[in-house]
Amino acid sequence: SQKIEQNSEALNIQEGKTATLTCNYTNYSPAYLQWYRQDPGRGPVFLLLIRENEKEKRKERLKVTFDTTLKQSLFHITASQPADSATYLCALVHTGGFKTIFGAGTRLFVKA
Amino acid sequence: DSGVTQTPKHLITATGQRVTLRCSPRSGDLSVYWYQQSLDQGLQFLIQYYNGEERAKGNILERFSAQQFPDLHSELNLSSLELGDSALYFCASSPPSEGYGYTFGSGTRLTVV
Repeated sequence: SQKIEQNSEALNIQEGKTATLTCNYTNYSPAYLQWYRQDPGRGPVFLLLIRENEKEKRKERLKVTFDTTLKQSLFHITASQPADSATYLCALVHTGGFKTIFGAGTRLFVKA
Repeated sequence: DSGVTQTPKHLITATGQRVTLRCSPRSGDLSVYWYQQSLDQGLQFLIQYYNGEERAKGNILERFSAQQFPDLHSELNLSSLELGDSALYFCASSPPSEGYGYTFGSGTRLTVV
């Protein structure tokens, strides 16, 4: 069955460092992959999207890579700030944009 | 305000009851998605609609049903409620074209007692 795995353990880093989160998947050939941020009790907020034929995407302090051979995406936050503390979700989207599945998310804590 | 409106924000009901959750998508978006998020669990895909038609189904229980109306708002109906149905229910919408992120509402917190 289709499966998405994200680091189940929380990631603790110091302010100013780069946070790297991992998303691995199996039994799925996504057309594209999305990353979201979710704060406790609130709806996810869309951050970045990367297509299957793209290797890397950047937006301000965020960078996403996508390796369809390894079936893995890496999400980087550079110069991290305490305000970046949240849960980050990856989502795989099938061609046609339907039946998107989400990973369980990785909790990030940035210490001042 | 994300542009996706969900009502009610909170709902407390007894086991065996039926409830209806409502979602208004962002202006211009034709797709509506419903997700369930239980405590400390990920988002579980329930169902998707596109311009009034059912597009995809996830692991949605037979006790649950949904529809999207001509004005594009959607309703999720949950019946014969059980304690395990307590969760946050999110609605999301997306534009007609592919390649855009989803816009989520703030969710409905359902508590079954």
